[in-house]
Amino acid sequence: DAGVTQSPTHLIKTRGQQVTLRCSPKSGHDTVSWYQQALGQGPQFIFQYYEEEERQRGNFPDRFSGHQFPNYSSELNVNALLLGDSALYLCASSLGRRGAFYEQYFGPGTRLTVT
Amino acid sequence: GIQVEQSPPDLILQEGANSTLRCNFSDSVNNLQWFHQNPWGQLINLFYIPSGTKQNGRLSATTVATERYSLLYISSSQTTDSGVYFCAVAVNFGNEKLTFGTGTRLTIIP
Repeated sequence: DAGVTQSPTHLIKTRGQQVTLRCSPKSGHDTVSWYQQALGQGPQFIFQYYEEEERQRGNFPDRFSGHQFPNYSSELNVNALLLGDSALYLCASSLGRRGAFYEQYFGPGTRLTVT
Repeated sequence: GIQVEQSPPDLILQEGANSTLRCNFSDSVNNLQWFHQNPWGQLINLFYIPSGTKQNGRLSATTVATERYSLLYISSSQTTDSGVYFCAVAVNFGNEKLTFGTGTRLTIIP
């Protein structure tokens, strides 16, 4: 049973560029959430996708956008990169049926460095 | 929003020792998870425990939802237990995002 996978594992970009990160959920899961973890801090929620729509969003600017595909995989896009966007980006998958809570499982993360 | 605090922030123990990590949260929660983050950044699920007590080998956890805290117990520590431990909570339906605590950095010395 494959767990949550993310690509790439590492990425170096220049300030002002754009980046796309990818995530495939755990088998059987239909919901993907993205988190940003700065060095020395806990992960911060960016947004969650369910049924190919953004269901919930954290306190992040519009430069952060996403997409979910019919096979439940997801992309995170960040435009106009800033030095402060350097972080570990984590993807989590879970079931997403309304009216219930489900355990979230995390991928290995993508480490983004902006120079 | 909900506040999640963990204590202690840092813990250094000799191999074989026992430890208790605490997570306090400021509001009622419907989901609580404990994670271990290894040196490579991978978050490993330890417990899904919105209430009650669970055990898995040398680890156990207790959540007292009415008093808004959770405890993670690690017995007979091993060097592989080193890393950062996070608790994370979700508040209510329609707001299933996980809010993470401040973390406890555990170092086990051989």
